[in-house]
Order: sequence, then C-alpha cells, then structure tokens
Amino acid sequence: SYVLTQPPSVSVAPGKTATITCGGNDIGSLSVHWYQQKPGQAPVLVVYDDSDRSPGIPERFSGSNSGNTATLTISRVEAGDEADYYCQVWHRSSDHVVFGGGSKLTVL
Amino acid sequence: EVQLVESGGGLVQPGGSLRLSCAASGFSFSSYWMTWVRQAPGMGLQWVANIDLDGSERYYVDSVKGRFTISRDNAKNSLFLQMNSLRVEDTAVYYCARGVTGDHYWGQGSLVTVSS
Repeated sequence: SYVLTQPPSVSVAPGKTATITCGGNDIGSLSVHWYQQKPGQAPVLVVYDDSDRSPGIPERFSGSNSGNTATLTISRVEAGDEADYYCQVWHRSSDHVVFGGGSKLTVL
Repeated sequence: EVQLVESGGGLVQPGGSLRLSCAASGFSFSSYWMTWVRQAPGMGLQWVANIDLDGSERYYVDSVKGRFTISRDNAKNSLFLQMNSLRVEDTAVYYCARGVTGDHYWGQGSLVTVSS
C-alpha cells in the first residue's frame, strides 16, 4: 500500500518560515492536498492540487510537489497557525485515499 | 451554503452494529463522490471508504472491508455507513466529506465508541 511520511513535529518561532514535508514514492505524479486541524475541530483544506490555496487561506500558505516530496510552506508564522497538518493523495492505482501521519506545528 | 451533518454515532459493544448518516445540503449531492474519514482519539486521519455518483463503485480501507458498507440515497441527499462486527479499534470520530480528495467541505463528525 502507498505510504505518505510526514515529520511528527515541526517547531518554528513567530515570524519565521515553517516547512512541512510529505514523502511518498513518486508523489510528484500525484495531486497533493493539505489540511489543517485544530483541537476539537474538523480538518480544513488549506492547499489543494499541490499548490492552490483554498478561499480565505492567507497567502502565507503555499505548496509545492516534485519527485518524492511535497511541501507545505507557511511564511511569517503566527501563533494561530499552531495546528496539526496532514497531506493527502488519491492513489489511483490502488483506488485508495491516503493520508500522511500528520505533523504538529508548534509556534515557539 | 454547503452543509454536511453526521448523525448516528454512539456507544456500542464489540461485535455490534451502527449506521451513520450524513445529511447533505447546499450543493448537487448526486454530482459528487462522497467519502468517510475517521480519526481515533489522539491519532491521525484515516480514510475509510468512498462511493461514486450512483453507488456503483465503492472502495474501502482494508481494515473495514467485509464489515462496513458505504451507500447513498441521492433522492434524499444522504450518505450512509453501515458498520457491522465493530471492534474496539473502530472507536473514532467519523467525518463525511464531499468528493474524494482535496474538497473544502467536511462535516463536524460523529463519535463512535466501541466498548464493553
């Protein structure tokens, strides 16, 4: 089965840039989506189709995808960005949807 | 306004059954694949199942195959998840979501607790 690997935790100081990676075999050939989830809330789509930002999501959030790694980048990090972030793909060859294990972003 | 509202969760004993429902509104339900995703306490998101526009194609994560059945009623704008032979490890918040991936609309979730 297809596996997506994320770092369990990412820490960043306010105002700096956070980079959250999502590794998978030839993930660059798939469309990657990123969700933000805060405690007790449903996930919110922040980036879809590798790099498109959802309506209402600040321009500070951006995505890229190439080779074996997709990346969510959050510039000028704010305290309100603290959350769990998940990458997601539809692995068409297996007809399975796959989530990464999630990355907890901590704002120092 | 797009809304997805789950219902039917609760406490059930191991080996028991439960049927989750998801009431959809604010969009053309019959034009979208639909998906169930779950999240065990303190754990990450896990895809459970999805279904195509008319229910002719259904896909499941291996751990629920043969126990769970996803279905839909386009006339009633409703999605269902019939869960049989429930196990302790099925304990989770179950979300319904529009589409297969990369969609903005999720419900708020329904808690299923499997415990004796």
